[in-house]
Amino acid sequence: GAGVSQSPSNKVTEKGKDVELRCDPISGHTALYWYRQSLGQGLEFLIYFQGNSAPDKSGLPSDRFSAERTGGSVSTLTIQRTQQEDSAVYLCASSPMTASNSPLHFGNGTRL
Amino acid sequence: RKEVEQDPGPFNVPEGATVAFNCTYSNSASQSFFWYRQDCRKEPKLLMSVYSSGNEDGRFTAQLNRASQYISLLIRDSKLSDSATYLCVVNPGGGYSTLTFGKGTMLLVSP
Repeated sequence: GAGVSQSPSNKVTEKGKDVELRCDPISGHTALYWYRQSLGQGLEFLIYFQGNSAPDKSGLPSDRFSAERTGGSVSTLTIQRTQQEDSAVYLCASSPMTASNSPLHFGNGTRL
Repeated sequence: RKEVEQDPGPFNVPEGATVAFNCTYSNSASQSFFWYRQDCRKEPKLLMSVYSSGNEDGRFTAQLNRASQYISLLIRDSKLSDSATYLCVVNPGGGYSTLTFGKGTMLLVSP
C-alpha cells in the first residue's frame, strides 16, 4: 500500500514569502505528526494531530507557523514570511493510533 | 543534561564486526523506547522497539537499563548495508506528542 506522501519534495522560496507543505498520511492512520530536521541536527517536533484536532502545538517555533488537517486525512503546514532559519527538511509521519508502542511511518520530507 | 543523548560518531567498523551504541535519557519516568534508522537524505524508519527484558531481531539486540537510564543497540556481523545513522527515540509519557529523538549515531561499515 501507499506510504506517507509529502509534496513538494523540494521547495525554494524567497525570504518573506509564504509556503505550504502538504502531507498525505497512510489511509486510516488517525495520528499525524510534523517534525523538522535541520542539517546535521536531530528531529524537532512541531505539531501533532489526532483526527482533525491538534492537542499538541507546543513545538511550533513561532506564530508564523500553522497547520491544519481536514477530513482526518491530508495536513498542510504553512509557514508565513519565511526566514532563512526556516530552511530544513520538514518530515510528516503518521501512526494508526497514539498508543505508546505504535510506530511512526515517515514521508520522504520536503526540503525547504 | 540533554533529554536524549547519543555519541554522534562516526563509528567506522569493518564488515563482520560487532558494534554497540548507547543512548542516555534524562527523564526517569520515560515509558517507551525505540531505535530508528535513517539513511543519508532519507526519512527515519523504525528499526526496533526496546523492551524492558531486552529483545533481539536477527543480528540486532536492544537492551534497556532503567537504573542507569540508557538503552543500547548491538549489531553483530555488520554488513555494508548497515551503514546509516541510528536514532534513539524516547517517549517520556503516554502518546507521541512528546516523542523525543536523539541526534543519532552514524555507523560506517567498510569492506
